[in-house]
Amino acid sequence: GAGVSQSPSNKVTEKGKDVELRCDPISGHTALYWYRQRLGQGLEFLIYFQGNSAPDKSGLPSDRFSAERTGESVSTLTIQRTQQEDSAVYLCASSQEWTVNYGYTFGSGTRLTVV
Amino acid sequence: AQSVTQLGSHVSVSEGALVLLRCNYSSSVPPYLFWYVQYPNQGLQLLLKYTSAATLVKGINGFEAEFKKSETSFHLTKPSAHMSDAAEYFCAVTGVSAGNMLTFGGGTRLMVKP
Repeated sequence: GAGVSQSPSNKVTEKGKDVELRCDPISGHTALYWYRQRLGQGLEFLIYFQGNSAPDKSGLPSDRFSAERTGESVSTLTIQRTQQEDSAVYLCASSQEWTVNYGYTFGSGTRLTVV
Repeated sequence: AQSVTQLGSHVSVSEGALVLLRCNYSSSVPPYLFWYVQYPNQGLQLLLKYTSAATLVKGINGFEAEFKKSETSFHLTKPSAHMSDAAEYFCAVTGVSAGNMLTFGGGTRLMVKP
């Protein structure tokens, strides 16, 4: 696609429920990243996929968080048993190659509200 | 390891005034530095990047930033603010050993007064 697409754009869920967030990267981008942005704060790294390599999960805040990506296509971020502190904007980005010169292209994010 | 500090979570300027958004970084390897802008309800958009070429980098919308190794800084400037510049700005750093992993600062919200 022309850009990074994320769905849903907004999600309100009850505490304790599971949610699944989707990211469609730019076609041909081998690297995909998930970040979390809490209200009034910077971006917090969650997880990083590069091609078929094992993902870097070092930023996942707890075992309630998991993410999958098949090859160089869609990624899903799953949050189980959501808590109020999970409320944030979840941003996905993709990058063309394993090199800093390409930078990231970000999606518009999914705003998650846990009530 | 890398880190970024953005001094001032909120900056307010008058339309037509100089914009200066501060960014200091820490990196154990030669850094690559980025500025991103986030307009309300939108994703982050790349403004400019420093990747070890010229130390003065020009970006979109009239913004520029200068890499100063001795000061470990990468401040963002624009000579004359426009109302449309009101947004949140994020500085980010990575290094060769970090692959393409960006570490972001806490962001600075720029407000432009008429």
